[in-house]
Amino acid sequence: QKEVEQDPGPLSVPEGAIVSLNCTYSNSAFQYFMWYRQYSRKGPELLMYTYSSGNKEDGRFTAQVDKSSKYISLFIRDSQPSDSATYLCAMSSRLQTGANNLFFGTGTRLTVIP
Amino acid sequence: DGGITQSPKYLFRKEGQNVTLSCEQNLNHDAMYWYRQDPGQGLRLIYYSQIVNDFQKGDIAEGYSVSREKKESFPLTVTSAQKNPTAFYLCASSMGQTRVSGRQFFGPGTRLTVL
Repeated sequence: QKEVEQDPGPLSVPEGAIVSLNCTYSNSAFQYFMWYRQYSRKGPELLMYTYSSGNKEDGRFTAQVDKSSKYISLFIRDSQPSDSATYLCAMSSRLQTGANNLFFGTGTRLTVIP
Repeated sequence: DGGITQSPKYLFRKEGQNVTLSCEQNLNHDAMYWYRQDPGQGLRLIYYSQIVNDFQKGDIAEGYSVSREKKESFPLTVTSAQKNPTAFYLCASSMGQTRVSGRQFFGPGTRLTVL
């Protein structure tokens, strides 16, 4: 079983729709949760960052973490064609002696249709 | 302008050649990482370094080598021992162990193609 599972999609939605992207994980030690957005042939850019459980909102984006269910979500409201990209979830645990390594999902490719 | 730069953007290698990918950061980050990205497989960690002159193998280190002589620089060499090197290579950095946040910041990537 992979540490982090993410539906690869592809996911196509009409402009203005609400998008829900999700990841599940198996390691209960994960405390830091991130969403990255990656445009084609570009490096990932950090979109949302959450520590422990709860919600975080930034403009049209909302990140949710449910540690009891080991489930994280990213919601995009009023989706725009410019949101078309691959979205990667990532997470890490409190450092012990190792590096600050992230565990990534495989990414969900999203297309927003004008 | 703070950030991570990678060069070249595109790189072509002949069979049996070693090639070196450059990664530089001016974020004053302690830790640096190299990932490989293949379609449908997500990001896989090749090597990472927490401090200068120290680095550790990641999940897929075979056929790769790195050095960390300066805090700002973390070059990756893809050797001829790497059997399937065609991929998109990403460098990242983070503040490091002493200031844990989990956040890593990525460069624009280098696309390596073996001819």
